[in-house]
Amino acid sequence: EDQVTQSPEALRLQEGESSSLNCSYTVSGLRGLFWYRQDPGKGPEFLFTLYSAGEEKEKERLKATLTKKESFLHITAPKPEDSATYLCAAGDYGGSQGNLIFGKGTKLSVKP
Amino acid sequence: DGGITQSPKYLFRKEGQNVTLSCEQNLNHDAMYWYRQDPGQGLRLIYYSQIVNDFQKGDIAEGYSVSREKKESFPLTVTSAQKNPTAFYLCASTQGGRYSQPQHFGDGTRLSIL
Repeated sequence: EDQVTQSPEALRLQEGESSSLNCSYTVSGLRGLFWYRQDPGKGPEFLFTLYSAGEEKEKERLKATLTKKESFLHITAPKPEDSATYLCAAGDYGGSQGNLIFGKGTKLSVKP
Repeated sequence: DGGITQSPKYLFRKEGQNVTLSCEQNLNHDAMYWYRQDPGQGLRLIYYSQIVNDFQKGDIAEGYSVSREKKESFPLTVTSAQKNPTAFYLCASTQGGRYSQPQHFGDGTRLSIL
């Protein structure tokens, strides 16, 4: 069964304390791996797309990486404004084109 | 600015009532989606449409209905058959293509029972 698992469920960091969020995926053929940021009461905001193992994308303090079984979202020297829920989603060749399988998210809290 | 507009932001449903959630996009995207989000759960797909006048059931379609008469619009009706409708509803759209493209989301409608 295709699935996406994110860990940890929640992560508390001090401002400036770097860490990583994990997204493990099991799909018949990866069509794309997506990271989103979701603030309370808002829709998910697109961050990155990764298509092949070894690919990396960066944006400000965030860096996403991809292997054949998982993706990491590295957060370097986080600030309180990075607090949000981060969602990971996988597109699958076995599914309908465009459909994504979402993980449950990691809720990140960054304290000043 | 291009984007997805969902309305209303908050909606209350009475017992036995059908309610309709609006979703409009001006991104010229082909595909549109409806998700339900509950605390502690991932986004669950209700319905999706890849072309006008065509749509498919997602994982939790029971108690919901949709239409796709225009490319820009994909309204969702929560019927009285949906016994647990309280949730945050998200609409998304994406461009077609060989590889999966990112889905872009609206800001959601929160539905509650009166």
